[in-house]
Amino acid sequence: EAGVTQFPSHSVIEKGQTVTLRCDPISGHDNLYWYRRVMGKEIKFLLHFVKESKQDESGMPNNRFLAERTGGTYSTLKVQPAELEDSGVYFCASSQAVTGESPLHFGNGTRLTVT
Amino acid sequence: KNEVEQSPQNLTAQEGEFITINCSYSVGISALHWLQQHPGGGIVSLFMLSSGKKKHGRLIATINIQEKHSSLHITASHPRDSAVYICAVYSGGGADGLTFGKGTHLIIQP
Repeated sequence: EAGVTQFPSHSVIEKGQTVTLRCDPISGHDNLYWYRRVMGKEIKFLLHFVKESKQDESGMPNNRFLAERTGGTYSTLKVQPAELEDSGVYFCASSQAVTGESPLHFGNGTRLTVT
Repeated sequence: KNEVEQSPQNLTAQEGEFITINCSYSVGISALHWLQQHPGGGIVSLFMLSSGKKKHGRLIATINIQEKHSSLHITASHPRDSAVYICAVYSGGGADGLTFGKGTHLIIQP
């Protein structure tokens, strides 16, 4: 089976620009998570979708971040306008059941650099 | 809020050595994950456990719920085991995401 895929793998943008990251979960996985690692820090949870619904978005840093999952398939994470502190690696993960009940499958991440 | 501490932060060992990486957390959990990330690569889930011990090949993960502590062991280590090993816990209770440790950077020298 295909794994979790993320696009792009790298993105370099200027402060104030907009970037959209995409995640395609494993087919049939209702649960989709976004995580982020900023330089030198641990990975942190951003939000959780169950199908197309946002189940928990407590980790979203501010309203410059917008996540969607139209039709409960792939998800996008848009940052608008991007700031320097948004630089980091954004990981997407999917699972059949919720976090504590089944393993997570991670994508390779999108490395975002804001200059 | 759960605090996850890993030790050591960095570990360099010789090929063949037995490796132990430790993880402790502050609040009771529903599940603990051990993850592996190779340089420039994605994250791979090694284990998910809520009690006892699990083994997969040369990797063994144990958890002590009462002591809020887990260990990841690698037997007969090999240079290809060089990676960052990350402990992450799921506390439940309405918070859907994992709480991560900072990771242990392991280098196995031939």
